[in-house]
Amino acid sequence: AQKVTQAQTEISVVEKEDVTLDCVYETRDTTYYLFWYKQPPSGELVFLIRRNSFDEQNEISGRYSWNFQKSTSSFNFTITASQVVDSAVYFCALFRPGGSQGNLIFGKGTKLSVKP
Amino acid sequence: SAVISQKPSRDICQRGTSLTIQCQVDSQVTMMFWYRQQPGQSLTLIATANQGSEATYESGFVIDKFPISRPNLTFSTLTVSNMSPEDSSIYLCSVEGGRDEQYFGPGTRLTVT
Repeated sequence: AQKVTQAQTEISVVEKEDVTLDCVYETRDTTYYLFWYKQPPSGELVFLIRRNSFDEQNEISGRYSWNFQKSTSSFNFTITASQVVDSAVYFCALFRPGGSQGNLIFGKGTKLSVKP
Repeated sequence: SAVISQKPSRDICQRGTSLTIQCQVDSQVTMMFWYRQQPGQSLTLIATANQGSEATYESGFVIDKFPISRPNLTFSTLTVSNMSPEDSSIYLCSVEGGRDEQYFGPGTRLTVT
């Protein structure tokens, strides 16, 4: 069975703090993709990153960084020097290419609140 | 990336009525997906719509309740039929981009009273 677990339901930080959002996944596939999406209060889903299962290099994009650890089946997301605009719900998702419908399996999301 | 628009952006409907949600993509795509996000919850796939064939529904979703059309490679509709308050959700259209990326429309916020 495929599953994505985001154990942190809500996190609250003060602006400029660093924050890490955890994501643990389960799959028996050797080829898969992991995604992070941001959903601000307006409701749209914003694509942040895609990582394939063969690429364990960590990635940094501005204040965002992602740590992919296949050994622990984790794909954690860190925001450095958080800002109020980072307040949103963040979803981690697992995608299996060539699967029955190729759909994304989402975690339950982590609501991040960044206070000024 | 694909640019996706949805209509309406939000609606308030009475129970027992139906609402059709439209999804338009700025490029031709093979697969389109419809997701539901109930209040405070994660996203759940309703169905996959391929052009020229019947939509494929996930467990717990049936065609009579959520009929889908896919008349061409850039457009799809989802109808929420015989609505009840439990259908109050955000409905999102999604498409596959290149390199197995998946993009989402802005969503339709439905409230059923």
